[in-house]
Amino acid sequence: DAGVTQSPTHLIKTRGQQVTLRCSPKSGHDTVSWYQQALGQGPQFIFQYYEEEERQRGNFPDRFSGHQFPNYSSELNVNALLLGDSALYLCASSLETGWGQETQYFGPGTRLLVL
Amino acid sequence: AQTVTQSQPEMSVQEAETVTLSCTYDTSESDYYLFWYKQPPSRQMILVIRQEAYKQQNATENRFSVNFQKAAKSFSLKISDSQLGDAAMYFCAYGGPYNQGGKLIFGQGTELSVKP
Repeated sequence: DAGVTQSPTHLIKTRGQQVTLRCSPKSGHDTVSWYQQALGQGPQFIFQYYEEEERQRGNFPDRFSGHQFPNYSSELNVNALLLGDSALYLCASSLETGWGQETQYFGPGTRLLVL
Repeated sequence: AQTVTQSQPEMSVQEAETVTLSCTYDTSESDYYLFWYKQPPSRQMILVIRQEAYKQQNATENRFSVNFQKAAKSFSLKISDSQLGDAAMYFCAYGGPYNQGGKLIFGQGTELSVKP
């Protein structure tokens, strides 16, 4: 049973550039959430996608955008990168059941360094 | 707004001993979900245990158990018979009721070291 996968594992960008991170959910899951984890901190919720729509968004600027594809995989795009965007980006997937808070399963993350 | 607080940045335990990690949270909801996740140096966040607020019985998963005190808004994790592989960062997380979406709110984490 394939778990959540993310690519790339590491990425180095310079300020002002744009980046795209990718996530494939766990087999059978249809919902994808993205989190940003700064060094030494707990993850912070960016947004969640379900049925190819952004269903919920955290306190992140519009520079952060995403997309979900018909096969449930997802992308996170960050424009105009700032030094403060350097972090571990975690993708989590879950199965929408229509009730309750379903358990989210996390991928290994993408480490982004902005120089 | 909901918050999660882990007041112990670091904890240490001797192998085979028992350790308890603390977590408190703040919410005005009566229906919610609580989680403990483990993040080893490999970075992958792994689910340890899940608790539904409507359940009075404390969740248990092998050597891991929780003490859920709803009135006190406390959710501690007990690890029995600690093993070297338990060394990791542990995060407590809160998930709201279904109508509030699937956002998880995490604490700052507790770094657990296990001494042989």
